[in-house]
Amino acid sequence: GAVVSQHPSWVICKSGTSVKIECRSLDFQATTMFWYRQFPKQSLMLMATSNEGSKATYEQGVEKDKFLINHASLTLSTLTVTSAHPEDSSFYICSAPPGGRLGGAFFGQGTRLTVV
Amino acid sequence: RKEVEQDPGPFNVPEGATVAFNCTYSNSASQSFFWYRQDCRKEPKLLMSVYSSGNEDGRFTAQLNRASQYISLLIRDSKLSDSATYLCAVRPISGGYQKVTFGTGTKLQVIP
Repeated sequence: GAVVSQHPSWVICKSGTSVKIECRSLDFQATTMFWYRQFPKQSLMLMATSNEGSKATYEQGVEKDKFLINHASLTLSTLTVTSAHPEDSSFYICSAPPGGRLGGAFFGQGTRLTVV
Repeated sequence: RKEVEQDPGPFNVPEGATVAFNCTYSNSASQSFFWYRQDCRKEPKLLMSVYSSGNEDGRFTAQLNRASQYISLLIRDSKLSDSATYLCAVRPISGGYQKVTFGTGTKLQVIP
């Protein structure tokens, strides 16, 4: 089946620094990828939709200048958390639709970000 | 009202029991429905899609009730390994048709 690989799986960084998270589709091309954030005991919340070759679409309330998304190729999308704060500590997960309107999403392994 | 709502649980059930979860959605135009399983600190994994006529996969049965706008998941003969959080997910028919909205999840704990 379709595989989405996300890296790193966890990262600890200092406040004020930036962290880049990569999401790759390994055996299919994804013109669209989604970035979610999940706080403990809460639901997955869609942050933004990454579109290959064009600007990402951000959900309401998500700062586009803080969460930079780049989708430079059909197999790679990156999320950069800039000037990270402790409140940005969360589980970040990317997903890609494998194709077809009715198919479910496939997720990367997730990245647990801790900002100290 | 949230787009997708679930009872967070936890549901504590003994091994071998049958357990059912419900999930309601607010957008009547929703097209596709799914159940995902998420283990602690892991990414969600697709458990099964939910079809209009209902569908079964081994011990798992999914049902869709469009009139009442809810989907359900039934797990028979619960195993210890079924312990996880179960997320329902809905995909709308328009406005970014590939975007999936998730419920908060229902936690299941199967007890020996």
